[in-house]
Amino acid sequence: GAVVSQHPSRVICKSGTSVKIECRSLDFQATTMFWYRQFPKQSLMLMATSNEGSKATYEQGVEKDKFLINHASLTLSTLTVTSAHPEDSSFYICSAGKGWDQAEQYFGPGTRLTVT
Amino acid sequence: GQQLNQSPQSMFIQEGEDVSMNCTSSSIFNTWLWYKQDPGEGPVLLIALYKAGELTSNGRLTAQFGITRKDSFLNISASIPSDVGIYFCAGLENFGNEKLTFGTGTRLTIIP
Repeated sequence: GAVVSQHPSRVICKSGTSVKIECRSLDFQATTMFWYRQFPKQSLMLMATSNEGSKATYEQGVEKDKFLINHASLTLSTLTVTSAHPEDSSFYICSAGKGWDQAEQYFGPGTRLTVT
Repeated sequence: GQQLNQSPQSMFIQEGEDVSMNCTSSSIFNTWLWYKQDPGEGPVLLIALYKAGELTSNGRLTAQFGITRKDSFLNISASIPSDVGIYFCAGLENFGNEKLTFGTGTRLTIIP
C-alpha cells in the first residue's frame, strides 16, 4: 500500500496564532515529502519540498519564515503556519513519493485551515 | 508556478457515457500522472505513465503518454456515479526531480 495521513483534518485558529500540521507515510518510508496549498476551485500549488535530515526547499513566493517545515524522520514531516492571517486560510495537502524513482506521489487527505 | 493546460474544464455527462480529457504542456515531461480528487479530500493516484506512447489501463480508465511527451490523455468508459470529481493531470520533468506540475483540472459531473 501507499497510505499518507494528515493531522488534523480541520483546524480553526485565531489571527496571530500558529498551527502545526503533520504528514505521515504510514506504510512506506519517504525521504522526500511535499507540501501543497489549494484554494477553492483551483489546482494544487507546490509550496515546498521537505527533505529528511535537511532544510526544506521553498517555491518562489513562499515565505520560509512563515511556513516552517520540519522533516524529522522518514515517515513524518510537519508544516507550521506561524502568525496565521485570514489569507492563509486554505486546504493544505502533503504528498510522499514512492515507487520507481519516487515518481508516484501519494497524497494525504488534506487539512482545512480556517483563520478567523 | 507553471501549470499544465487541461481540457475540458468541466464536463456534464449522463451515466454510462464515455469520457475523454487531455492535458497539454509547452515543455516535455518524462512522467505523466493522473489523479482524481473528491471534495475535501487529497488527490488519489489513478494511473502513472513513464514512456512516450505508453497506454495503460486501470479498470475502466485508460491513459496515454503522448508521443511528443508534451501531452497525455485520460479516458473513462461507461461512467458511473462514483466517477464524479475533479481529475488532475500532473507531470514530472526530470527523473530524480520529483516536483510535480499540476494541470488545471477537469470537473466531471454526472447528470441523473
